[in-house]
Formats: sequence, structure tokens, C-alpha cells
Amino acid sequence: NAGVMQNPRHLVRRRGQEARLRCSPVKGHSHVYWYRQLPEEGLKFMVYLQKENIIDESGMPKERFSAEFPKEGPSILRIQQVVRGDSAAYFCASSQQASRGMSSPLHFGNGTRLTVT
Amino acid sequence: SQQGEEDPQALSIQEGENATMNCSYKTSINNLQWYRQNSGRGLVHLILIRSNEREKHSGRLRVTLDTSKKSSSLLITASRAADTASYFCATVSTGANNLFFGTGTRLTVIP
Repeated sequence: NAGVMQNPRHLVRRRGQEARLRCSPVKGHSHVYWYRQLPEEGLKFMVYLQKENIIDESGMPKERFSAEFPKEGPSILRIQQVVRGDSAAYFCASSQQASRGMSSPLHFGNGTRLTVT
Repeated sequence: SQQGEEDPQALSIQEGENATMNCSYKTSINNLQWYRQNSGRGLVHLILIRSNEREKHSGRLRVTLDTSKKSSSLLITASRAADTASYFCATVSTGANNLFFGTGTRLTVIP
């Protein structure tokens, strides 16, 4: 049973380029969460998606960032026109059941480390 | 901010000793979860305690929750070098649909 798969593990982009981060949740999980982690800090919530729907994007910057979780295929976090401040580790997590109460633990991928030069 | 705060930020102990980490939070919660993160890896779920529970055990882990003080503690007994990692508490606020993570405690267990 594969866990949450994220790719690439490392991504280097120049300022102004686009970054696409992919996340395949645990098989059977239909809830995906994206978090961002700066060095020596905790995880900051960005967005919560169910299949084809964005449920909560309150933690995601309004500009340049977007996320999707299509009916088929992985969830994608897209960052347009990257800036140095976007450099961070981006983690995806999935869960099986509906999120209300969140009594199911999250299963995390190993993250994508984005470096903007 | 709903984010929790862990205390201490860093803890260094000898193998075999117990390690205690504390977490404080600000809002009313549905449950509180503890996660572990090894360097360069994703988080791994350790234990979940619901708001109506006061204590929970899992192997060498013991978690307490005091909702009146809005605090939780994680105790790792008989620590091992392999327990070296960062430990995060995460809360699910009442009615919320995501986890808010604390700032983490970096635990080093010296063999």
C-alpha cells in the first residue's frame, strides 16, 4: 500500500518561473491538504480539497497560488511567477473520511522542497 | 492565530530518560493530535486525544489534555536514540476542517 506520494522531492526554479507540485493521496482517500513549512518552523495550512472541489483555501495567498484535485490524477499545487520568499517545503496530506471533526489522522507525503534562485 | 505553541523548543536527553513536551493552544478544540517529523521527511501521526478525554496511552507514549488550561503534554518513556525527531501538536478547532500545527519541539536523544 503506497502512502502519499509527492513529486518532485526537490524543485529549483528561477524567480518568475512557475512551480508545479504534485501529490497522489493514499489510495481511497478523497481529502487532500496542502501545508507549507519554513526551516525550523511548524506547518502552515494552505488549502483543503476534496475531489474536484476546494473546501477551504483560507491559508493560501490570493495571488499566484492555485490548487486543484481533479476527478482523475494527482492534486496539483501551482505557484506562478515564483519569488524567493516561496522557497519552502510543501507537504501534502490525505485522509479518508469527511473532515468534520477530523478524527481521522492525516497521512503525509515526504514533501517537495522548492528553492527559488 | 490558532497555532499552538510547544515548549520547550528543543530538548536533549540521555537514552533511557523520559522526555516531556508541552503544547498550548488558544481556541476550543474537537481533538488534539501529536505528530513526529524526522529530518527531511513528512509528518507521522502518533496519537489523537479527543476533547472529552484526559489521558491516552500508546506504547511508550502518554498524552494528557487539560481543556480548562488549553494545554496538552506528550511523554515519551524510556527514550531511545531513534526517538530523535521534531514533535508537533496539532489542533482541530470546533467546527473547523483542518489541522493547525504548533511550532514543534526538537528532541535529541543521546545514545
